[in-house]
Amino acid sequence: QKEVEQNSGPLSVPEGAIASLNCTYSDRGSQSFFWYRQYSGKSPELIMSIYSNGDKEDGRFTAQLNKASQYVSLLIRDSQPSDSATYLCAVPFLSGTYKYIFGTGTRLKVLA
Amino acid sequence: GAGVSQSPSNKVTEKGKDVELRCDPISGHTALYWYRQSLGQGLEFLIYFQGNSAPDKSGLPSDRFSAERTGGSVSTLTIQRTQQEDSAVYLCASSLGLAGAYEQYFGPGTRLTVT
Repeated sequence: QKEVEQNSGPLSVPEGAIASLNCTYSDRGSQSFFWYRQYSGKSPELIMSIYSNGDKEDGRFTAQLNKASQYVSLLIRDSQPSDSATYLCAVPFLSGTYKYIFGTGTRLKVLA
Repeated sequence: GAGVSQSPSNKVTEKGKDVELRCDPISGHTALYWYRQSLGQGLEFLIYFQGNSAPDKSGLPSDRFSAERTGGSVSTLTIQRTQQEDSAVYLCASSLGLAGAYEQYFGPGTRLTVT
């Protein structure tokens, strides 16, 4: 069974701090990874994709990928109350099918 | 450009009735995915299409659920003889190609309530 695991949280951080969200996956062959943000009552919104080991930065967001250790993380710098949401990690499952496996998400609370 | 659209946004139906949920993907996106999300839960994969074909229907919960896609564009998810446990948000997503190399974009969802 291919799995994607995330800590459900809630992860509480003060405004202005760095929020660190982690995701581990079981399929060593996975090549691409996606982070989504989901506000309560809304649909998931793509934040970042990452395909290569290392860091990828986009504004206040940094995705980090370590394929050897099978984890991908999302850092949010200068966290704002508006960042409070559930963050979903998605990994494509490509063995015999082409679907995305989603983690259950980490709920982030940024405290003003 | 236009994103993924879904209709209706909300649907309330009586137990035992059939419902149809519609998804209109981003123009040019060949892959289309259906998910279900129950309150406070994660995303549950239902089915995906590549063009008009559905290579993986493994997530459909029962034979009351079916989906089709026509013209490589619009998709309809049909639930027959709805049950209360079918109440959830049904999300559609599309991508330029199959999972792996392409990013997936979600529609706003259809909230289904079965009374």
